[in-house]
Amino acid sequence: DTEVTQTPKHLVMGMTNKKSLKCEQHMGHRAMYWYKQKAKKPPELMFVYSYEKLSINESVPSRFSPECPNSSLLNLHLHALQPEDSALYLCASSQADIMITYEQYFGPGTRLTVT
Amino acid sequence: EDKVVQSPLSLVVHEGDTVTLNCSYEVTNFRSLLWYKQEKKAPTFLFMLTSSGIEKKSGRLSSILDKKELSSILNITATQTGDSAIYLCAVKETSGSRLTFGEGTQLTVNP
Repeated sequence: DTEVTQTPKHLVMGMTNKKSLKCEQHMGHRAMYWYKQKAKKPPELMFVYSYEKLSINESVPSRFSPECPNSSLLNLHLHALQPEDSALYLCASSQADIMITYEQYFGPGTRLTVT
Repeated sequence: EDKVVQSPLSLVVHEGDTVTLNCSYEVTNFRSLLWYKQEKKAPTFLFMLTSSGIEKKSGRLSSILDKKELSSILNITATQTGDSAIYLCAVKETSGSRLTFGEGTQLTVNP
């Protein structure tokens, strides 16, 4: 199973709403990632979890709050977002080893629209 | 600051043509270069190139890493309409998990 799943596929939320994006993988990967991708732009890294601990936070605003409840799950909690946060949010996972590069497997993404 | 530059930004070809996509990078401590194909949604992994694996081939796709020139090319021969996608190049440094992506090349293959 080389699949990363994400739910929901699409999400429309108002600026005062609270919502969560979910990501799951069952490949035994211990590194999980959140990316944000705007139209016609490459993915931008937001957060990296390694062995369920947050290892990279790319100065993401606090209205985005990641959570890694266990080695298979990654959540992104959203609160008080702005219209400019509308984007495709991609989750990825990989094996974790600081000495070796492993390819990242991406989920299909959640298309988020903030109104 | 790490930088990955891809060219061309977009390319339109006819089925059967051969294309070459370019990726150049400036990173402090290079470890590996990865190529991804992105159609509607998720990027899908194509190749990873490192110092110990500078050439990869899979079917009609092949890629070469030139560590002297700090660049890589992705070749696609006998293109098909299903090759139409954005091709992303990403570079990883020796420390950390971060991938630095280029802007991508939008390839359109017309029948």
